[in-house]
Amino acid sequence: GAGVSQSPRYKVAKRGQDVALRCDPISGHVSLFWYQQALGQGPEFLTYFQNEAQLDKSGLPSDRFFAERPEGSVSTLKIQRTQQEDSAVYLCASLPPSGFNEQFFGPGTRLTVL
Amino acid sequence: AQSVTQLGSHVSVSEGALVLLRCNYSSSVPPYLFWYVQYPNQGLQLLLKYTSAATLVKGINGFEAEFKKSETSFHLTKPSAHMSDAAEYFCAVSDQIEAGSYQLTFGKGTKLSVIP
Repeated sequence: GAGVSQSPRYKVAKRGQDVALRCDPISGHVSLFWYQQALGQGPEFLTYFQNEAQLDKSGLPSDRFFAERPEGSVSTLKIQRTQQEDSAVYLCASLPPSGFNEQFFGPGTRLTVL
Repeated sequence: AQSVTQLGSHVSVSEGALVLLRCNYSSSVPPYLFWYVQYPNQGLQLLLKYTSAATLVKGINGFEAEFKKSETSFHLTKPSAHMSDAAEYFCAVSDQIEAGSYQLTFGKGTKLSVIP
C-alpha cells in the first residue's frame, strides 16, 4: 500500500480483556514506532523497532504492554488485562532508511476500555 | 530530556487572517524539529521539518516556520488562513540521527479553528 495501515481502526474492550493492534508499515521502511495518544494530548512514545529488533521500549507504561515485529515488517502491539486508563488512540509510524527522521504515521487505532 | 511547549491549546482566526501557532522546545543537543497536522480521525501528516539546513522552512499548504535558536522557538505561520486549515497541529522534536535516538517528543497540540 501507499501508506502505513493499522487495524482495527476502532476497538472496544471490556476491562480485563486482552487486545492486539496491528500495524503494516510502508514497504522498505526498516524502522517502526508505536505511540499512545490520550484524549486532548500529543502522542507519547511507546516503543521502537529496527527490523525485528526492539531497540527501545522505554515508553511502555507497564508490563501489560508488549510489542513484537517477528519478521521485520508487520508489528503487533498487545495489551493484556486492559484497564480504563489504556483508552487512547494508538499510532504506528514508520521511517525510511535515510533522511531526517520524517516519520510516516498510520491512521491509528482508537481503543476504548469499558 | 527533550520537551516541547505549545502555547495556546486553542487558536481561532478569521478566514484570510494570519495564522501563528507557537512552539518552544528544550533540547540538550541541536535538534530536528517538526510540525504535524492531524485532521479528525486521521493520523499525523508532516507539514514541515527543520534539519539545520536553513532557519526558515517552507512546508506544504502554504505553511512555514522559523527556527530561532536564541529563543528556542519554532513557530508555525501562514499568511492567510483557509477553512481547510482547521485541524490540530503538533510540534515535535527529536535528536539528530547521529545521536541514535529516533523517538519524537510532541507538544500537547493546538487546535486551530477558522471562522468564515
